Amino acid sequence: EAGVTQFPSHSVIEKGQTVTLRCDPISGHDNLYWYRRVMGKEIKFLLHFVKESKQDESGMPNNRFLAERTGGTYSTLKVQPAELEDSGVYFCASSQDFRTKRNTEAFFGQGTRLTVV
Amino acid sequence: AQSVTQLGSHVSVSEGALVLLRCNYSSSVPPYLFWYVQYPNQGLQLLLKYTSAATLVKGINGFEAEFKKSETSFHLTKPSAHMSDAAEYFCAVMGFSGGYNKLIFGAGTRLAVHP
Repeated sequence: EAGVTQFPSHSVIEKGQTVTLRCDPISGHDNLYWYRRVMGKEIKFLLHFVKESKQDESGMPNNRFLAERTGGTYSTLKVQPAELEDSGVYFCASSQDFRTKRNTEAFFGQGTRLTVV
Repeated sequence: AQSVTQLGSHVSVSEGALVLLRCNYSSSVPPYLFWYVQYPNQGLQLLLKYTSAATLVKGINGFEAEFKKSETSFHLTKPSAHMSDAAEYFCAVMGFSGGYNKLIFGAGTRLAVHP
């Protein structure tokens, strides 16, 4: 079974440009999460999809960030325009429903390292 | 609201020595707790989890953690460190929002293992 896949693994862009990160969750996982880790700090929650619906986007930093999950499969996270403080590692995770499957877990992708220069 | 504090951003041990990584949590409801590990250039991998069953939880690679409600702690231990244990370790608590769940992470502890 394929794991959570993220593209690209690394991205270096200039301030003001646009970048789109992609996440392919494990097939059948309704929950999809985006997290971000800025250098040396904690892994911070950005948002949570249940199928194609945004369940919780309380962690999105500002309106320069736009996440979508059309059709409830893969998700994209677009940053437009990118700023220097957006640099960090963006993780995606997927899971089954914790409410009905207590032994499930969140599976993480390898992350996308974004550098804004 | 839930939160996690990991004491010590860097821990260094000798090969064969005890590994102890500290994690304290805050939760207004009975928590689900997790330890994840990130090896260099890899994603986060689940080491172990506590979901209100046994308080002593055994995970992969010889790691275990004990849930202590009175101390609000979930420290990670391994009796004998191996060079391959060098990685960054994250403690997380399950947060609840609108009936759904999300993981809330600590800042991470980087473990170095010396020969």
